[in-house]
Amino acid sequence: DAMVIQNPRYQVTQFGKPVTLSCSQTLNHNVMYWYQQKSSQAPKLLFHYYDKDFNNEADTPDNFQSRRPNTSFCFLDIRSPGLGDAAMYLCATSRDRVAGGTHTQYFGPGTRLTVL
Amino acid sequence: ILNVEQSPQSLHVQEGDSTNFTCSFPSSNFYALHWYRWETAKSPEALFVMTLNGDEKKKGRISATLNTKEGYSYLYIKGSQPEDSATYLCAFPGGSQGNLIFGKGTKLSVKP
Repeated sequence: DAMVIQNPRYQVTQFGKPVTLSCSQTLNHNVMYWYQQKSSQAPKLLFHYYDKDFNNEADTPDNFQSRRPNTSFCFLDIRSPGLGDAAMYLCATSRDRVAGGTHTQYFGPGTRLTVL
Repeated sequence: ILNVEQSPQSLHVQEGDSTNFTCSFPSSNFYALHWYRWETAKSPEALFVMTLNGDEKKKGRISATLNTKEGYSYLYIKGSQPEDSATYLCAFPGGSQGNLIFGKGTKLSVKP
């Protein structure tokens, strides 16, 4: 029944070692989002895909990249993780882009990234 | 920079207590306000999308009200149960291209 799946749930990586987080969806939604949430902070949008169109937030570091090879899958690549990148990473989908701000987003359970 | 503020940051109540918490958002150019519930080790789950001033929505023991003119929404939980323990997030579509800006959430703990 899971609609947005994230793997792995917990990821440990070493400082500077590239890491990839994955997200898949069974909802056939057009939009997929990646959020970063650090402890006691609000989830912060890193980027989103509208179909194949990639939209980066202005303040997302270059260290973070994303790929969406097809409708169902989206990946978050962290090229050289630093200690400050330790966080919960949430993937979400919505049927369409926020037209009037009313489209519900459907979230995965997140991947908690630890950087040693 | 648009901000969404939630208070209190955390709340501890006894089973059976009713409780409420607040989300404040920019009152100009209002489109919608979202409430999500995020239980530990689970996915954030949508509770409500609110669009009209004075709107009140209800889901079981949880209800929410909206005041777009003054820029706040209240979430109420009547007769809290341990299974209500979660972080409650609100979000406002004030980001680039109307993307959601989230508050930090209110973490609710309900003791049996």
